[in-house]
Amino acid sequence: DAGVIQSPRHEVTEMGQEVTLRCKPISGHNSLFWYRQTMMRGLELLIYFNNNVPIDDSGMPEDRFSAKMPNASFSTLKIQPSEPRDSAVYFCASRSTGQPIYEQYFGPGTRLTVT
Amino acid sequence: TQLLEQSPQFLSIQEGENLTVYCNSSSVFSSLQWYRQEPGEGPVLLVTVVTGGEVKKLKRLTFQFGDARKDSSLHITAAQPGDTGLYLCAGLDSGAGSYQLTFGKGTKLSVIP
Repeated sequence: DAGVIQSPRHEVTEMGQEVTLRCKPISGHNSLFWYRQTMMRGLELLIYFNNNVPIDDSGMPEDRFSAKMPNASFSTLKIQPSEPRDSAVYFCASRSTGQPIYEQYFGPGTRLTVT
Repeated sequence: TQLLEQSPQFLSIQEGENLTVYCNSSSVFSSLQWYRQEPGEGPVLLVTVVTGGEVKKLKRLTFQFGDARKDSSLHITAAQPGDTGLYLCAGLDSGAGSYQLTFGKGTKLSVIP
């Protein structure tokens, strides 16, 4: 089975542009997480979905960030407008709440650079 | 907000040496996980510890959960270059049924051949 798929792997954009990151979770997983990783702050949870419904978006830094999960196999994280301080690696992870151990499976990440 | 402090932040050792890294919190977690992350990849789960005082072994890696479930350690025996990576601990918060993970900032390990 394929793991979590993220696209693009790298994104370089100019300040003010809209950025859309994409994620395909592992088939059958019903929870999806978006994280941001930086050297200064480590790995931070931005938002998570359960059965396609956003459960906790308290980690979303500000209104410029939005996330959607229109179906069980696809999610997007959008930044509009982007700023240089948004530069980071963004990870998507999924898990099945049916598992006894709440293991999250991470995608390879999208490295975002905003100039 | 539950915080996890990992130490040391950076560790560079020679192949064959032993090492221990630590993960500490003032909060109690229902369980704690250790992940390893290699450059350009996402974190990969190594182990989950659930019971206070629990010890788990994974080949040359030994994981221990503190009795009070607030801290954990990872000991590597005879480190190999393949052990190089970022080691992250993550506490599972089962409060309010959310089951969210809180990550430490990690220990970046370099094993020199």
